[in-house]
Amino acid sequence: DVKVTQSSRYLVKRTGEKVFLECVQDMDHENMFWYRQDPGLGLRLIYFSYDVKMKEKGDIPEGYSVSREKKERFSLILESASTNQTSMYLCASSFLRDKKFFGPGTRLTVL
Amino acid sequence: QKEVEQNSGPLSVPEGAIASLNCTYSDRVSQSFFWYRQYSGKSPELIMSIYSNGDKEDGRFTAQLNKASQYVSLLIRDSQPSDSATYLCAVNRDDKIIFGKGTRLHILP
Repeated sequence: DVKVTQSSRYLVKRTGEKVFLECVQDMDHENMFWYRQDPGLGLRLIYFSYDVKMKEKGDIPEGYSVSREKKERFSLILESASTNQTSMYLCASSFLRDKKFFGPGTRLTVL
Repeated sequence: QKEVEQNSGPLSVPEGAIASLNCTYSDRVSQSFFWYRQYSGKSPELIMSIYSNGDKEDGRFTAQLNKASQYVSLLIRDSQPSDSATYLCAVNRDDKIIFGKGTRLHILP
């Protein structure tokens, strides 16, 4: 079974803090993704990566950056957290560019 | 027109009945289609994928695809209370997966 893990289930940060969300997958998948999910807005793609050191902007990259130094690890960085970044953050990975397997999610609250 | 459209629900179905969830998509060249189930507070879980016209069955679940009508559906037979969740339709367009906002399904005991 594919396993995607995320570093925290719940996180509370203050406005202006730098926030790191880590994601690790154990199935040697090439492709990794970061989404946020908000009520009424559905899943929105922030960034994705099809290879190590490679990153591409998704639909809502503003205020975020990513890092992929190793194949199994994809990190999402909030350079200066703001209250409108309070959300559920979901990491996913896939072997083919279609079926996605999601991690458990990190519910981030920015005060 | 939204790229992937689903009725938000809630859809209420009696236990033991068939639940029918529908999804339409706008891009004719989409080639692969997926249904995810998401329980409240949890992450989406892939339950069905379908690539060609017709039906695909897996246990109590049947996915149906009609590319001419740009329509994909999910049928759940013998609905159980544990099927109560939000179901997300997803469509592959140019190697990019587009998700619908989901339909909330409530199975009435």
